[in-house]
Amino acid sequence: QSALTQPRSVSGSPGQSVTISCTGTNSDFGGYDYVSWYQHHPGQAPKLLTYDVNKRPSGVQDRFSGSKSGNTASLTISGLKAEDEADYYCCSYTGSYTFNYVFGTGTKVTVL
Amino acid sequence: QLQLQESGPGLVKPSETLSLTCTVSGDSISSSTYYWGWIRQPPGKGLEWIGSIYYSGSTYYNPSLKSRVTISMDTSKNRFSLKLNSVTAADTAVYHCVLWFGYLLSTPFSWGQGTLVTVSS
Repeated sequence: QSALTQPRSVSGSPGQSVTISCTGTNSDFGGYDYVSWYQHHPGQAPKLLTYDVNKRPSGVQDRFSGSKSGNTASLTISGLKAEDEADYYCCSYTGSYTFNYVFGTGTKVTVL
Repeated sequence: QLQLQESGPGLVKPSETLSLTCTVSGDSISSSTYYWGWIRQPPGKGLEWIGSIYYSGSTYYNPSLKSRVTISMDTSKNRFSLKLNSVTAADTAVYHCVLWFGYLLSTPFSWGQGTLVTVSS
């Protein structure tokens, strides 16, 4: 099982929107909408931003939104802030067995 | 607020056993609400689920690591542990302890900051 493909880096100016793609195969997504996104500042705990494609945990700003079309999931960060500069990972639950996940290759977001 | 903190040796010799502990604060690991487990990331590589455990003692392991992995719980100290035996350089990674909600096993929900374990002589 290969990793989900993400762009290595994306960048934007404060206030702009950026979108990170996450592409896989039919088996990677398993026909489910179980895609989650994580923000990871190095040295800190990864933080869950969205799950089940477009749900947000309590406390996550609505500037972060998830979507999915076919075998590509996306995370959009609106109103980009300096604090958003971090690594972002997608994750898909494949459903082939309990706890079977495939993770994305990771994207570095740079705020210009 | 639930917090997870990994601890353990940062250096392990090849063929030996890697042992890590995750101390949980903010709730009991004996709660039926959660599953607990480990995810790792080798330097420059992708994330990989290692295994998980439920309060009942039920364990779930990545088939590719199953023969070498043991995850256990110490409810008296509110922590759980990972043992990975016969390690090689390929096991060098940042190891995160992770929490899942029982109703949402599709999503690794909360993570520790991770600890780097290097396998080297």
